[in-house]
Amino acid sequence: AQKVTQAQTEISVVEKEDVTLDCVYETRDTTYYLFWYKQPPSGELVFLIRRNSFDEQNEISGRYSWNFQKSTSSFNFTITASQVVDSAVYFCALSEGYNNNDMRFGAGTRLTVKP
Amino acid sequence: EAGVAQSPRYKIIEKRQSVAFWCNPISGHATLYWYQQILGQGPKLLIQFQNNGVVDDSQLPKDRFSAERLKGVDSTLKIQPAKLEDSAVYLCASHRGAAVGTYEQYFGPGTRLTVT
Repeated sequence: AQKVTQAQTEISVVEKEDVTLDCVYETRDTTYYLFWYKQPPSGELVFLIRRNSFDEQNEISGRYSWNFQKSTSSFNFTITASQVVDSAVYFCALSEGYNNNDMRFGAGTRLTVKP
Repeated sequence: EAGVAQSPRYKIIEKRQSVAFWCNPISGHATLYWYQQILGQGPKLLIQFQNNGVVDDSQLPKDRFSAERLKGVDSTLKIQPAKLEDSAVYLCASHRGAAVGTYEQYFGPGTRLTVT
């Protein structure tokens, strides 16, 4: 069964610090997709990134970067030079197979960025 | 482009009462999902529609929950009768494809249900 673990329940940093959110997943499938979503206080989940299991290249988007390592079953998310607006709950999610729509979410990491 | 719309945003009911939530996905999105998010947890899929047909409802508590998507556009999720453990945020999401791995899901703001 697929499973996603976000061991960090809450993280608090000061503005401009870098922060890494950890995500470890379990799956028996060779084809799967990994996602990160941001949930600000408004409650709406915002898509950040999707990565398939055959693409291990790391990705950078502005201050955001993602490190996908199949060897350790991890898909970690780093925010560089954090800002107060980054404060939110961040979810990592996993979907197995190409046509499987059961996206399993981790429990989330609450990030607080203090000014 | 308008986002996923949900109503109401908040609802408080007593246990054993009934409640219904409404979702209007992004125009043209064939696939619609309902998720339940209990406080402190990640969202859990309840049901998935593709157009007006059910693709996956394996995690929907069918003894009390029901959902429909008539005409393949907006959708309604109903709980009857509600239990205390149904207190959660109910999220609706949609995407334009058939497989979640192909397209990103767009989420609505959710309906926060409190059962007392």
